[in-house]
Amino acid sequence: DVKVTQSSRYLVKRTGEKVFLECVQDMDHENMFWYRQDPGLGLRLIYFSYDVKMKEKGDIPEGYSVSREKKERFSLILESASTNQTSMYLCASVHRSSTYEQYFGPGTRLTVT
Amino acid sequence: AQKVTQAQTEISVVEKEDVTLDCVYETRDTTYYLFWYKQPPSGELVFLIRRNSFDEQNEISGRYSWNFQKSTSSFNFTITASQVVDSAVYFCALSAPMDSSYKLIFGSGTRLLVRP
Repeated sequence: DVKVTQSSRYLVKRTGEKVFLECVQDMDHENMFWYRQDPGLGLRLIYFSYDVKMKEKGDIPEGYSVSREKKERFSLILESASTNQTSMYLCASVHRSSTYEQYFGPGTRLTVT
Repeated sequence: AQKVTQAQTEISVVEKEDVTLDCVYETRDTTYYLFWYKQPPSGELVFLIRRNSFDEQNEISGRYSWNFQKSTSSFNFTITASQVVDSAVYFCALSAPMDSSYKLIFGSGTRLLVRP
């Protein structure tokens, strides 16, 4: 079974802190994604990566950056956390030759105070 | 532009009732995929079904069934004889194969509450 893991289920940070959210997948998937989920808005794409060291902005990249140094690991970085970044963050991956089914991690609920 | 609309924010039913979750999509692509995901209280999205734009056959899997109609750009999901364990948030999503990112466009989700 494909497994996508995220470093924390719950995280509480202070405004202005630098925050790292880690995502690891074990199925050699090329493409990886970071979404944030907010009530009434569904999942919105922050950034995605289609290869090591490659990244593309999604729909809401402001305030975030990403890093992909290894194929299995995709990190989301909040350079200076703000209260409006309090949200659920979901990581996903997909194999490029598949029929687009994305596999999701359990999510990280981040609270910025 | 691509868009997915789930007009029902929340639905509440009594156990054993049938319930249909609506999904309407917009895309200019002729080839695309549609998905339904379930998000139980644990938080992890669980894949339920994928349908490509060339296959309009309805699908049934146990108590779940899906009705894909290109003429109305809809991909509705019906749960027959609902159970408490069906309580979750359900997301409809769209992806276009010509988009090499493989990204998904999600609807805003429908929260289903099945009461005993």
